[in-house]
Amino acid sequence: GQQVMQIPQYQHVQEGEDFTTYCNSSTTLSNIQWYKQRPGGHPVFLIQLVKSGEVKKQKRLTFQFGEAKKNSSLHITATQTTDVGTYFCAGIQGAQKLVFGQGTRLTINP
Amino acid sequence: KAGVTQTPRYLIKTRGQQVTLSCSPISGHRSVSWYQQTPGQGLQFLFEYFSETQRNKGNFPGRFSGRQFSNSRSEMNVSTLELGDSALYLCASSAGGRNLYEQYFGPGTRLTVT
Repeated sequence: GQQVMQIPQYQHVQEGEDFTTYCNSSTTLSNIQWYKQRPGGHPVFLIQLVKSGEVKKQKRLTFQFGEAKKNSSLHITATQTTDVGTYFCAGIQGAQKLVFGQGTRLTINP
Repeated sequence: KAGVTQTPRYLIKTRGQQVTLSCSPISGHRSVSWYQQTPGQGLQFLFEYFSETQRNKGNFPGRFSGRQFSNSRSEMNVSTLELGDSALYLCASSAGGRNLYEQYFGPGTRLTVT
């Protein structure tokens, strides 16, 4: 079936360390979106990437969309305690259906 | 603009009962999607409604159904509840057009089935 795989499932870092989560699809994606869900909260839209090889930055967050439009990554530089949460990627596959990855849960040791 | 609202926020039901959840999208948004979130399965897509028509459907049994009204408000119904239906049910609205799939989530309804 249509799947978007996300790794790692969990990541624990020391505050100030970098963090990266990866998203992979077996099929080409029309676009990819990233969401953040704080503990006890709901997913909040972060960004959407559409073009092959696209790179976008939001302060300490860098988002990349692969050349083949089958993978994406989110990199956080110098994590802060406010970055705690679960990061989801979501891609449009085939019949315009948004498919979410399993998420990467980030915890930070202050 | 007000965000997506969902009612009720919490619900406890017994196996075999049915439940109806409600979602009011952001004003002007015509697309409403429903998701089930559980610790083990993550975010699972249930269905999407656009202009009162179901446009996409996930892989859930027929016990899960939904509808959308002319004002874009949406309801989701689960009949013959099972223990495994315990989850956070999230509704998300989208404006359509170029940002069709930029989803704005509501706070969710936490359903517990006993």
